[in-house]
Amino acid sequence: RKEVEQDPGPFNVPEGATVAFNCTYSNSASQSFFWYRQDCRKEPKLLMSVYSSGNEDGRFTAQLNRASQYISLLIRDSKLSDSATYLCVVLNSNSGYALNFGKGTSLLVTP
Amino acid sequence: EPEVTQTPSHQVTQMGQEVILRCVPISNHLYFYWYRQILGQKVEFLVSFYNNEISEKSEIFDDQFSVERPDGSNFTLKIRSTKLEDSAMYFCASSELSTPQYFGPGTRLTVL
Repeated sequence: RKEVEQDPGPFNVPEGATVAFNCTYSNSASQSFFWYRQDCRKEPKLLMSVYSSGNEDGRFTAQLNRASQYISLLIRDSKLSDSATYLCVVLNSNSGYALNFGKGTSLLVTP
Repeated sequence: EPEVTQTPSHQVTQMGQEVILRCVPISNHLYFYWYRQILGQKVEFLVSFYNNEISEKSEIFDDQFSVERPDGSNFTLKIRSTKLEDSAMYFCASSELSTPQYFGPGTRLTVL
């Protein structure tokens, strides 16, 4: 079973749309959660950390459900520049420092 | 804004050759990492380094791999005898604590 699973997409949405990505993780001992974005052939860039109470950063909202081992990312008012692959990333308490990456969900925002 | 830098951006080598990938982590960070991403696949952890020693490594990080912090700024990954399957993007990352981790732009390694 994969440790971090994401719907690969692609999600094609028009500018201004709201889009949601989901992620599930298998290790109940996971302690820290993140969303990174990755542009084609570039490095992962931290988008936001995900906290138990949920958190918002501008147009982006992240939610965590520990009981269901589920993480979500909501993007409101999509921009063309949001087109990228969104990576769900988990740090397990028993792995020390190794981030576990999902394979990513591809988003294409069209005019 | 401080950032992680990596050199070279692209390295082409023959199978069996040694390569050294270089990274300059963010200056006040204490934890350093190498990850790799084979084309079309997910980012995979290789190794973490703290206080001048390896703190954790994955099963990918076998005896062919080594890391070093030769001076106060550089962090290197050496692959002793490259294989075709080592072709990938190699990302260096650093962090002040264990997270969040910030990634460099990567070195694309092509083994022929």
